[in-house]
Amino acid sequence: KNEVEQSPQNLTAQEGEFITINCSYSVGISALHWLQQHPGGGIVSLFMLSSGKKKHGRLIATINIQEKHSSLHITASHPRDSAVYICAVTDNTDKLIFGTGTRLQVFP
Amino acid sequence: NAGVMQNPRHLVRRRGQEARLRCSPMKGHSHVYWYRQLPEEGLKFMVYLQKENIIDESGMPKERFSAEFPKEGPSILRIQQVVRGDSAAYFCASSSGLAGGPNEQFFGPGTRLTVL
Repeated sequence: KNEVEQSPQNLTAQEGEFITINCSYSVGISALHWLQQHPGGGIVSLFMLSSGKKKHGRLIATINIQEKHSSLHITASHPRDSAVYICAVTDNTDKLIFGTGTRLQVFP
Repeated sequence: NAGVMQNPRHLVRRRGQEARLRCSPMKGHSHVYWYRQLPEEGLKFMVYLQKENIIDESGMPKERFSAEFPKEGPSILRIQQVVRGDSAAYFCASSSGLAGGPNEQFFGPGTRLTVL
């Protein structure tokens, strides 16, 4: 069993829909990260959070430490949001342990 | 303020050759991480370095792979006698490594290694 599990693996949506991607982890963590990888391959850090909730534009990330679960929400989705979204956790050494990613396609 | 730089962006090698991948961290960052993404697979940790020190190499294959981060210059990931299975995207990330909390990592654009 992977230490970081994401669901769904693939997700398609129509432009404007509200999107949720889930992440569960089984190890002790110092932080949880949400990353975005575009088709060209580059990786961008979206959020790093240890508790509660963070918001940036149309993106919202939440974490429940007790349940070892995090969600990434995208409001009013747009085709340019199409990418792979990766959940990762850091343990006390700061190295990242990655989930397998969620491939999102948003159609106009 | 330049981000994390990696070069080359694409590297083609024949089986048995050596591959050298370079990573220059963000200005002010002294911690470097190397990750590998095999085709159609997720990212995996390889090695974590500070200047002149390897902190954690638990994700590095035992043979043919080595990494360094010298006092001056970029971090280097070296793969000797490459095989087809080494074909992957290799990403470098850097962080400030500040004590007292988790540190955000910033990723380079990656080096795509193809072994013929």
